Amino acid sequence: GQNIDQPTEMTATEGAIVQINCTYQTSGFNGLFWYQQHAGEAPTFLSYNVLDGLEEKGRFSSFLSRSKGYSYLLLKELQMKDSASYLCAVRSHSGNTPLVFGKGTRLSVIA
Amino acid sequence: GAGVSQSPRYKVAKRGQDVALRCDPISGHVSLFWYQQALGQGPEFLTYFQNEAQLDKSGLPSDRFFAERPEGSVSTLKIQRTQQEDSAVYLCASSTPPGDSGNTIYFGEGSWLTVV
Repeated sequence: GQNIDQPTEMTATEGAIVQINCTYQTSGFNGLFWYQQHAGEAPTFLSYNVLDGLEEKGRFSSFLSRSKGYSYLLLKELQMKDSASYLCAVRSHSGNTPLVFGKGTRLSVIA
Repeated sequence: GAGVSQSPRYKVAKRGQDVALRCDPISGHVSLFWYQQALGQGPEFLTYFQNEAQLDKSGLPSDRFFAERPEGSVSTLKIQRTQQEDSAVYLCASSTPPGDSGNTIYFGEGSWLTVV
Protein backbone atom coordinates (compact mmCIF):
# COMPACT_ATOMS: atom_id res chain seq x y z
CA GLY A 1 0.00 0.00 0.00
CA GLN A 2 0.88 3.65 -0.08
CA ASN A 3 1.18 5.72 3.08
CA ILE A 4 2.39 9.29 3.43
CA ASP A 5 2.40 10.92 6.85
CA GLN A 6 2.84 14.54 7.78
CA PRO A 7 1.68 16.61 10.76
CA THR A 8 -1.81 18.02 10.48
CA GLU A 9 -1.10 21.51 11.76
CA MET A 10 1.85 23.68 12.73
CA THR A 11 2.20 27.24 13.98
CA ALA A 12 5.30 29.41 13.67
CA THR A 13 6.25 33.03 14.18
CA GLU A 14 6.92 35.55 11.45
CA GLY A 15 10.64 35.73 10.68
CA ALA A 16 11.35 32.31 12.16
CA ILE A 17 12.28 28.98 10.55
CA VAL A 18 9.91 26.02 10.38
CA GLN A 19 10.51 22.41 9.33
CA ILE A 20 7.65 20.27 8.04
CA ASN A 21 8.38 16.56 8.10
CA CYS A 22 7.05 13.85 5.81
CA THR A 23 7.51 10.09 6.03
CA TYR A 24 6.43 7.69 3.34
CA GLN A 25 5.99 4.00 2.66
CA THR A 26 5.24 3.36 -0.98
CA SER A 27 5.47 0.42 -3.36
CA GLY A 28 8.21 2.19 -5.32
CA PHE A 29 9.98 5.52 -5.38
CA ASN A 30 10.64 7.86 -8.27
CA GLY A 31 10.67 11.27 -6.65
CA LEU A 32 9.19 13.33 -3.84
CA PHE A 33 7.40 16.61 -4.36
CA TRP A 34 6.29 19.45 -2.12
CA TYR A 35 3.36 21.66 -3.02
CA GLN A 36 1.94 24.77 -1.38
CA GLN A 37 -1.81 25.29 -1.34
CA HIS A 38 -3.51 28.46 -0.13
CA ALA A 39 -7.13 28.10 0.93
CA GLY A 40 -9.41 27.93 -2.08
CA GLU A 41 -6.55 27.80 -4.57
CA ALA A 42 -4.71 25.21 -6.62
CA PRO A 43 -1.63 23.44 -5.27
CA THR A 44 1.51 25.08 -6.62
CA PHE A 45 4.79 23.25 -7.09
CA LEU A 46 7.58 24.07 -4.62
CA SER A 47 10.28 21.44 -4.89
CA TYR A 48 11.34 18.05 -6.17
CA ASN A 49 13.84 15.56 -4.75
CA VAL A 50 14.83 12.25 -6.29
CA LEU A 51 18.34 11.85 -4.84
CA ASP A 52 19.34 12.04 -1.19
CA GLY A 53 20.29 15.44 0.11
CA LEU A 54 19.17 19.01 0.30
CA GLU A 55 17.70 21.09 -2.52
CA GLU A 56 17.66 24.82 -1.84
CA LYS A 57 15.47 27.34 -3.61
CA GLY A 58 15.46 30.77 -2.03
CA ARG A 59 13.71 30.71 1.35
CA PHE A 60 12.57 27.13 0.77
CA SER A 61 14.68 23.98 1.04
CA SER A 62 13.71 20.33 0.80
CA PHE A 63 15.62 17.33 2.07
CA LEU A 64 15.32 13.66 1.20
CA SER A 65 16.59 10.42 2.74
CA ARG A 66 15.45 7.49 0.65
CA SER A 67 16.79 4.88 3.06
CA LYS A 68 14.70 6.37 5.86
CA GLY A 69 11.64 7.14 3.73
CA TYR A 70 11.84 10.69 5.02
CA SER A 71 11.72 14.23 3.73
CA TYR A 72 11.35 17.67 5.18
CA LEU A 73 10.50 21.09 3.85
CA LEU A 74 12.33 23.97 5.50
CA LEU A 75 10.93 27.47 5.30
CA LYS A 76 13.17 30.33 6.42
CA GLU A 77 12.38 33.96 7.24
CA LEU A 78 8.70 33.16 7.51
CA GLN A 79 6.22 35.66 6.14
CA MET A 80 2.51 35.94 6.81
CA LYS A 81 1.84 34.93 3.21
CA ASP A 82 3.46 31.55 3.93
CA SER A 83 0.33 30.58 5.87
CA ALA A 84 -0.99 27.73 3.74
CA SER A 85 -1.21 23.96 3.51
CA TYR A 86 1.95 22.12 2.49
CA LEU A 87 1.47 18.86 0.65
CA CYS A 88 4.04 16.09 0.46
CA ALA A 89 3.64 13.77 -2.53
CA VAL A 90 5.48 10.73 -3.86
CA ARG A 91 5.70 9.34 -7.36
CA SER A 92 5.97 5.56 -7.10
CA HIS A 93 6.63 4.72 -10.73
CA SER A 94 8.75 6.11 -13.55
CA GLY A 95 7.48 8.41 -16.25
CA ASN A 96 4.49 10.75 -16.13
CA THR A 97 2.67 8.71 -13.51
CA PRO A 98 0.38 10.01 -10.77
CA LEU A 99 1.57 11.39 -7.45
CA VAL A 100 0.28 10.05 -4.15
CA PHE A 101 -0.36 12.88 -1.70
CA GLY A 102 -0.29 13.15 2.05
CA LYS A 103 -3.14 14.89 3.84
CA GLY A 104 -1.18 18.14 4.04
CA THR A 105 0.18 20.24 6.88
CA ARG A 106 -1.67 23.46 7.62
CA LEU A 107 0.89 26.10 8.63
CA SER A 108 -0.20 29.23 10.44
CA VAL A 109 2.30 32.08 10.62
CA ILE A 110 1.63 34.46 13.48
CA ALA A 111 3.04 37.89 14.26
CA GLY B 1 -3.18 28.81 -22.48
CA ALA B 2 -0.61 29.60 -19.84
CA GLY B 3 -1.96 27.18 -17.23
CA VAL B 4 -4.41 24.37 -16.64
CA SER B 5 -7.92 25.70 -17.09
CA GLN B 6 -10.98 24.14 -15.49
CA SER B 7 -14.68 24.88 -15.80
CA PRO B 8 -17.03 25.42 -14.18
CA ARG B 9 -15.21 26.81 -11.16
CA TYR B 10 -18.28 26.30 -9.00
CA LYS B 11 -21.18 23.93 -9.50
CA VAL B 12 -24.18 23.29 -7.29
CA ALA B 13 -26.03 20.16 -8.29
CA LYS B 14 -29.18 18.61 -6.94
CA ARG B 15 -28.79 15.06 -5.75
CA GLY B 16 -29.36 12.72 -8.67
CA GLN B 17 -28.30 15.25 -11.29
CA ASP B 18 -25.51 14.51 -13.76
CA VAL B 19 -22.53 16.88 -13.94
CA ALA B 20 -19.66 17.35 -16.38
CA LEU B 21 -16.40 19.02 -15.42
CA ARG B 22 -14.00 20.20 -18.09
CA CYS B 23 -10.22 20.47 -18.07
CA ASP B 24 -8.00 22.16 -20.62
CA PRO B 25 -4.37 21.19 -19.90
CA ILE B 26 -1.21 23.14 -20.58
CA SER B 27 -0.41 23.03 -24.27
CA GLY B 28 1.97 20.20 -25.11
CA HIS B 29 1.42 18.26 -21.91
CA VAL B 30 0.68 14.67 -22.81
CA SER B 31 -0.31 13.45 -19.35
CA LEU B 32 -3.48 14.62 -17.62
CA PHE B 33 -4.63 13.70 -14.13
CA TRP B 34 -7.85 14.05 -12.17
CA TYR B 35 -7.83 14.29 -8.39
CA GLN B 36 -10.58 14.72 -5.81
CA GLN B 37 -9.91 16.86 -2.75
CA ALA B 38 -12.20 16.95 0.26
CA LEU B 39 -12.04 19.85 2.69
CA GLY B 40 -8.90 19.70 4.83
CA GLN B 41 -7.50 16.68 3.01
CA GLY B 42 -4.85 16.08 0.39
CA PRO B 43 -5.76 15.38 -3.24
CA GLU B 44 -6.86 11.80 -3.92
CA PHE B 45 -6.04 10.27 -7.28
CA LEU B 46 -8.97 9.43 -9.55
CA THR B 47 -7.65 8.68 -13.04
CA TYR B 48 -5.06 9.68 -15.59
CA PHE B 49 -4.47 9.81 -19.31
CA GLN B 50 -1.49 9.76 -21.59
CA ASN B 51 -2.70 11.45 -24.75
CA GLU B 52 -6.15 9.93 -25.34
CA ALA B 53 -5.39 6.65 -23.55
CA GLN B 54 -6.77 6.25 -20.04
CA LEU B 55 -3.94 4.38 -18.36
CA ASP B 56 -5.30 4.09 -14.82
CA LYS B 57 -8.80 4.60 -13.48
CA SER B 58 -8.35 2.72 -10.25
CA GLY B 59 -9.16 5.79 -8.13
CA LEU B 60 -12.64 6.39 -9.52
CA PRO B 61 -14.92 5.80 -6.50
CA SER B 62 -17.77 4.15 -8.38
CA ASP B 63 -19.14 3.42 -11.83
CA ARG B 64 -21.00 6.73 -11.63
CA PHE B 65 -17.69 8.41 -12.41
CA PHE B 66 -16.43 8.48 -15.96
CA ALA B 67 -13.58 10.40 -17.62
CA GLU B 68 -12.61 10.86 -21.23
CA ARG B 69 -10.04 12.65 -23.32
CA PRO B 70 -11.03 11.75 -26.87
CA GLU B 71 -8.52 13.88 -28.79
CA GLY B 72 -5.69 13.85 -26.30
CA SER B 73 -6.14 17.43 -25.13
CA VAL B 74 -9.31 18.55 -23.33
CA SER B 75 -10.70 16.11 -20.78
CA THR B 76 -14.13 15.78 -19.19
CA LEU B 77 -14.95 14.16 -15.86
CA LYS B 78 -18.58 13.12 -15.70
CA ILE B 79 -20.43 12.19 -12.54
CA GLN B 80 -23.81 10.57 -12.97
CA ARG B 81 -26.62 10.63 -10.40
CA THR B 82 -24.62 12.80 -8.01
CA GLN B 83 -24.76 12.10 -4.30
CA GLN B 84 -23.86 14.27 -1.34
CA GLU B 85 -20.59 12.43 -0.74
CA ASP B 86 -19.46 13.59 -4.20
CA SER B 87 -19.18 17.15 -2.86
CA ALA B 88 -15.50 18.07 -3.18
CA VAL B 89 -13.03 20.01 -5.26
CA TYR B 90 -12.10 18.21 -8.47
CA LEU B 91 -8.57 19.11 -9.50
CA CYS B 92 -7.16 18.57 -12.93
CA ALA B 93 -3.43 18.56 -13.53
CA SER B 94 -1.10 18.09 -16.45
CA SER B 95 2.50 17.03 -16.63
CA THR B 96 5.57 18.16 -18.52
CA PRO B 97 6.76 15.91 -21.36
CA PRO B 98 8.87 12.87 -20.49
CA GLY B 99 12.49 13.68 -19.83
CA ASP B 100 11.84 17.03 -18.25
CA SER B 101 13.13 17.44 -14.72
CA GLY B 102 10.84 15.61 -12.35
CA ASN B 103 7.90 15.48 -14.74
CA THR B 104 6.33 18.11 -12.51
CA ILE B 105 2.56 18.07 -12.26
CA TYR B 106 0.80 21.44 -12.58
CA PHE B 107 -2.69 21.90 -11.20
CA GLY B 108 -5.69 23.89 -12.32
CA GLU B 109 -7.80 25.97 -9.93
CA GLY B 110 -10.29 23.16 -9.50
CA SER B 111 -14.02 22.73 -9.91
CA TRP B 112 -15.87 23.05 -6.60
CA LEU B 113 -18.86 20.71 -6.61
CA THR B 114 -21.58 20.94 -4.00
CA VAL B 115 -24.39 18.40 -4.12
CA VAL B 116 -27.54 19.46 -2.27
